[in-house]
Amino acid sequence: DVKVTQSSRYLVKRTGEKVFLECVQDMDHENMFWYRQDPGLGLRLIYFSYDVKMKEKGDIPEGYSVSREKKERFSLILESASTNQTSMYLCASSLQGERNTIYFGEGSWLTVV
Amino acid sequence: KQEVTQIPAALSVPEGENLVLNCSFTDSAIYNLQWFRQDPGKGLTSLLLIQSSQREQTSGRLNASLDKSSGRSTLYIAASQPGDSATYLCAVKGPQGAQKLVFGQGTRLTINP
Repeated sequence: DVKVTQSSRYLVKRTGEKVFLECVQDMDHENMFWYRQDPGLGLRLIYFSYDVKMKEKGDIPEGYSVSREKKERFSLILESASTNQTSMYLCASSLQGERNTIYFGEGSWLTVV
Repeated sequence: KQEVTQIPAALSVPEGENLVLNCSFTDSAIYNLQWFRQDPGKGLTSLLLIQSSQREQTSGRLNASLDKSSGRSTLYIAASQPGDSATYLCAVKGPQGAQKLVFGQGTRLTINP
């Protein structure tokens, strides 16, 4: 079974802190994604990566950056957390190609106070 | 721009009933459509993936159909059980770029014992 693991399930951070959300997948997938999910807004893509050290902006990249130094690991970075970044963050991965299933992690609940 | 709609937003049915969840999309140029299940506070679990060349997919009590020309998909759940209670989301992947999925807002399903 594909496993996408998000290391932190629940975090509480202060405004202005730098926040790292880590995601690891064990199926040698080329593609990795970070989404955020908010009530009424659904899932929105923040960034995705199709290879090591490669990244592309999604729909809402402002205030975020990402890092992919190893194929299995994709990190989301909030350089200076703000209260409007309080949300559920979901990591996902898939093989390359248009026809492959995407697999999600369990999610990370981030509260910024 | 692709838009995905799921109506109704919430549905409540008695245990044992067969039911249909709906998903519609505005641009028929898709590669595939995927149905997910999300339990409260959790990540997304992939249920079924239908490629654009397929008409339906089945897994156990679940059957998903796809009509690309009309921009519609349905998820049929047979003999519903309380454990089926969850939010069901559909998502389409198309040539809109970034290998990303466009999600609907989901239908929150409650099965009453």
